[in-house]
Amino acid sequence: AQSVAQPEDQVNVAEGNPLTVKCTYSVSGNPYLFWYVQYPNRGLQFLLKYITGDNLVKGSYGFEAEFNKSQTSFHLKKPSALVSDSALYFCAVRSKPGGSYIPTFGRGTSLIVHP
Amino acid sequence: DGGITQSPKYLFRKEGQNVTLSCEQNLNHDAMYWYRQDPGQGLRLIYYSQIVNDFQKGDIAEGYSVSREKKESFPLTVTSAQKNPTAFYLCASLAGPSTDTQYFGPGTRLTVL
Repeated sequence: AQSVAQPEDQVNVAEGNPLTVKCTYSVSGNPYLFWYVQYPNRGLQFLLKYITGDNLVKGSYGFEAEFNKSQTSFHLKKPSALVSDSALYFCAVRSKPGGSYIPTFGRGTSLIVHP
Repeated sequence: DGGITQSPKYLFRKEGQNVTLSCEQNLNHDAMYWYRQDPGQGLRLIYYSQIVNDFQKGDIAEGYSVSREKKESFPLTVTSAQKNPTAFYLCASLAGPSTDTQYFGPGTRLTVL
């Protein structure tokens, strides 16, 4: 079985400050890990993914995430938050080919960036 | 949202009615998915299809039905058996099991009056 935990329902940060949105996972074998962003009444937009290689993954809009195998974490980060980053963020995991290709999503974290 | 369209964007249903949500993709993807999104509950899988004329139940299939007669289309019917259908419905596609990233449509918000 695979699972994802996003321990914070909401993260508040001031514009210009660094932000972190947390994600931990459980999966058999090596994981594929994803972050998506959702704006109100819209579909999910892909931000970044970890498949293999460098543990620090860079994605769209200045976001990055660090894969930590020992802590089974994949936290989303950005050095300087913008008000326009305010949205709902989802972490997802699936096992690599050979296992289920049905990803499991976390419950989402609402990011609020204050001016 | 590129390549996946969902219609309508907003849908209102009276109790006891069946309604069908449309999902079309021009990405030539093999796999398609339907998710339901409720506040604070993330995405829950309703049905998925790996190939044409084949589909499997997800975690919350009761009260829903699907068909996959064409590669590009995966309509979802919300039947009167679904007791609490008010939600945001998302369709997604994936090129194939050996690929990784899902692509999502813009969603349909269904409200039962």
